[in-house]
Amino acid sequence: DQQVKQNSPSLSVQEGRISILNCDYTNSMFDYFLWYKKYPAEGPTFLISISSIKDKNEDGRFTVFLNKSAKHLSLHIVPSQPGDSAVYFCAASLTGGTSYGKLTFGQGTILTVHP
Amino acid sequence: KAGVTQTPRYLIKTRGQQVTLSCSPISGHRSVSWYQQTPGQGLQFLFEYFSETQRNKGNFPGRFSGRQFSNSRSEMNVSTLELGDSALYLCASSLTGTGDSGANVLTFGAGSRLTVL
Repeated sequence: DQQVKQNSPSLSVQEGRISILNCDYTNSMFDYFLWYKKYPAEGPTFLISISSIKDKNEDGRFTVFLNKSAKHLSLHIVPSQPGDSAVYFCAASLTGGTSYGKLTFGQGTILTVHP
Repeated sequence: KAGVTQTPRYLIKTRGQQVTLSCSPISGHRSVSWYQQTPGQGLQFLFEYFSETQRNKGNFPGRFSGRQFSNSRSEMNVSTLELGDSALYLCASSLTGTGDSGANVLTFGAGSRLTVL
């Protein structure tokens, strides 16, 4: 049972345009959501996160939107740069309970930004 | 400050052998988590340690075990290796492991790539 899904295996975008990566989840108990970026031969790198009490969080070129009723979140990258080309993972967690250290990850989306 | 350090980076074992992987967390981080990444299953949670105690465990067989030392360094062990254990094993550290704020997210190491022949 895949509780976090990224339905687009890949996304191709022109430099300077917006990249939108999507993620859906099924467990309504998840209350903290994160996006990680991963380059080959490296571990995932934290990008941005959002608590379930918010619907938007911005950090520079990166904005995460959360729609709790639809159980959907998205990552917007504006403007996209060739260095953003990587695999992007959506992750969800349960806080305040006993799910210590556990993130539930999506399968990832390969983003390619063309110059 | 130094990031999460994992050793070895690459290793090759044969079926039936056992392997030990090591992880040094970021200084001051007391929670260490381990994940397995495979092409088919993606990133899967193995277990989490805090103050030398396992607080959380994923859905893996007992062949997978770990421990944490008083300096927060952690090791994981896989016994009786199977071909399906070939994967990238990732260690992540955080302050408390509760993951309830941007200051307490998991920081991952580069991983240990295990190949079982």
